[in-house]
Amino acid sequence: GAVVSQHPSRVICKSGTSVKIECRSLDFQATTMFWYRQFPKQSLMLMATSNEGSKATYEQGVEKDKFLINHASLTLSTLTVTSAHPEDSSFYICSASGLAGTPHEQYFGPGTRLTVT
Amino acid sequence: GEDVEQSLFLSVREGDSSVINCTYTDSSSTYLYWYKQEPGAGLQLLTYIFSNMDMKQDQRLTVLLNKKDKHLSLRIADTQTGDSAIYFCAESSSGGGADGLTFGKGTHLIIQP
Repeated sequence: GAVVSQHPSRVICKSGTSVKIECRSLDFQATTMFWYRQFPKQSLMLMATSNEGSKATYEQGVEKDKFLINHASLTLSTLTVTSAHPEDSSFYICSASGLAGTPHEQYFGPGTRLTVT
Repeated sequence: GEDVEQSLFLSVREGDSSVINCTYTDSSSTYLYWYKQEPGAGLQLLTYIFSNMDMKQDQRLTVLLNKKDKHLSLRIADTQTGDSAIYFCAESSSGGGADGLTFGKGTHLIIQP
């Protein structure tokens, strides 16, 4: 159990366009989903926390109008990078919590490599 | 804000024990985690420890926590080539399920034959 998928795994987009990344919990209902960003040789930085049916809570310095998060169901959260620029190129990783019996654990997706040209 | 520090590289011989160290600053940390990340992949939870514990053992993995010094370590016994990866230390002050984790930069474990 506790499998989290992300789609796409890699995406290349042109500067100024928007791109959507999906995060799905495949075998459990995720009450909370998280979005992280990882730069090369750096740690994961939390971008936002989302609970199903509620607005996401963004970390300081993360632009909510640029990184749109939707958590429409207990198994799906989406991150849309709007008007992408080359500096948005990064590895985006989601995680999910809420698996029964594991209140303290987050399960991570495999990540999405975004390249903005 | 909270800070988690790790050394960036550790090189060990195959068959030896690996000890990866981590220090953190948040005195309210309640759960501390070790994750493994292989190239191009997401994070795999290896183990975690609650702050009122000193030690946790799970097969080849031993976690030691010195809460006074805010020091966490992960020992991997009989290190194998498959253990080659980046190991992240992370902490949570709320329990990890409701709030995001604060990660270190990761320790790249290199296995020498």
